[in-house]
Amino acid sequence: RKEVEQDPGPFNVPEGATVAFNCTYSNSASQSFFWYRQDCRKEPKLLMSVYSSGNEDGRFTAQLNRASQYISLLIRDSKLSDSATYLCVVNWGVIGGGTSYGKLTFGQGTILTVHP
Amino acid sequence: DGGITQSPKYLFRKEGQNVTLSCEQNLNHDAMYWYRQDPGQGLRLIYYSQIVNDFQKGDIAEGYSVSREKKESFPLTVTSAQKNPTAFYLCASSIQGNTYEQYFGPGTRLTVT
Repeated sequence: RKEVEQDPGPFNVPEGATVAFNCTYSNSASQSFFWYRQDCRKEPKLLMSVYSSGNEDGRFTAQLNRASQYISLLIRDSKLSDSATYLCVVNWGVIGGGTSYGKLTFGQGTILTVHP
Repeated sequence: DGGITQSPKYLFRKEGQNVTLSCEQNLNHDAMYWYRQDPGQGLRLIYYSQIVNDFQKGDIAEGYSVSREKKESFPLTVTSAQKNPTAFYLCASSIQGNTYEQYFGPGTRLTVT
């Protein structure tokens, strides 16, 4: 089983649609969770962190279910500019020396295409 | 402007040659990382460094080497021992502490023929 697993898609949705992405992770000791966005042939950029209580940033809502080891990202009122690959990212803390510098494990990404 | 720079953006090399990829940051971050990304795959960690003069192997370190002589700089050498060097290489950095958020440079696309 992959450490972080995402549905690769692609998801093709019309402008204005609501779309949801799911992600599961295998390590129950995972501490931090993120969604990154990666445009074609560019570097990943942090979209939002995911908190246990769930969090919202404009049209984007992230949810975490620790019991099921599951993370989700909901995008409302999709825009053409939302077209990208969305990466689910999980951290389970210490890489060495007792100080946590964040060993991030990346899912393979979910491709979203928003069309007119 | 603060950020991470990588150079060059595109790099072409012949098989059997070593090549060094540059990564510089002016964010005053302690930790720096190198990843590679292959088509349709997630990022995989090659090496990371928590502080100057210290670095550790990641998940796929074979065929690569790094140095961390300055806080701002973390160059990656792809050696001839790396069997499949053609990939998109990404450098990242993060502050010390509990945030774990990493910030990425624009990447170097290496093609070895």
